[in-house]
Amino acid sequence: GNSVTQMEGPVTLSEEAFLTINCTYTATGYPSLFWYVQYPGEGLQLLLKATKADDKGSNKGFEATYRKETTSFHLEKGSVQVSDSAVYFCALSVNTGNQFYFGTGTSLTVIP
Amino acid sequence: ETGVTQSPTHLIKTRGQQVTLRCSSQSGHNTVSWYQQALGQGPQFIFQYYREEENGRGNFPPRFSGLQFPNYSSELNVNALELDDSALYLCASSLVGSPYGYTFGSGTRLTVV
Repeated sequence: GNSVTQMEGPVTLSEEAFLTINCTYTATGYPSLFWYVQYPGEGLQLLLKATKADDKGSNKGFEATYRKETTSFHLEKGSVQVSDSAVYFCALSVNTGNQFYFGTGTSLTVIP
Repeated sequence: ETGVTQSPTHLIKTRGQQVTLRCSSQSGHNTVSWYQQALGQGPQFIFQYYREEENGRGNFPPRFSGLQFPNYSSELNVNALELDDSALYLCASSLVGSPYGYTFGSGTRLTVV
């Protein structure tokens, strides 16, 4: 079947620290991979995506590389800010525009 | 370009009642999907509508039903509410064939007491 496993949180970092949130997946087909971010009291916002192996998605200093050999899509940022505090969801979609499968989310808190 | 808007933002219902949640899709999008997000969990797929017909359904009972209208707006109806239906309900729109994924609304927080 299709599923996403995310690193469990919560994660607490100091400002300017390096961030990694691990994400691995299983898929019946050839998935597209996504990271979404959810700020308190809000819906989900697309952070970045990758649609084929070795693609690197990037946005706002965040990066993730689609690794087919390890079925992974780890999220990284070199220097986090307080404003990055949110919940991060890894997700996959097997058919374009169809059902998404989400991980359970990783809560990140960045302290000054 | 407008995003996805949902109404109401918060709702409290009593067990056994029925509820209708509404969603207006982003301009130019032709599919709408509904997700249930329980507290501390990731969103779970309820169903998707395309061309006013259900186009995929997750593991939810028939008391969860929906509609899509010609203007691509949508409703989610839940009958015989249970306490476990308390969650954030997210609507997401997309364009068939687009690689850009969903645009999500801010959700409706449903509390069943």
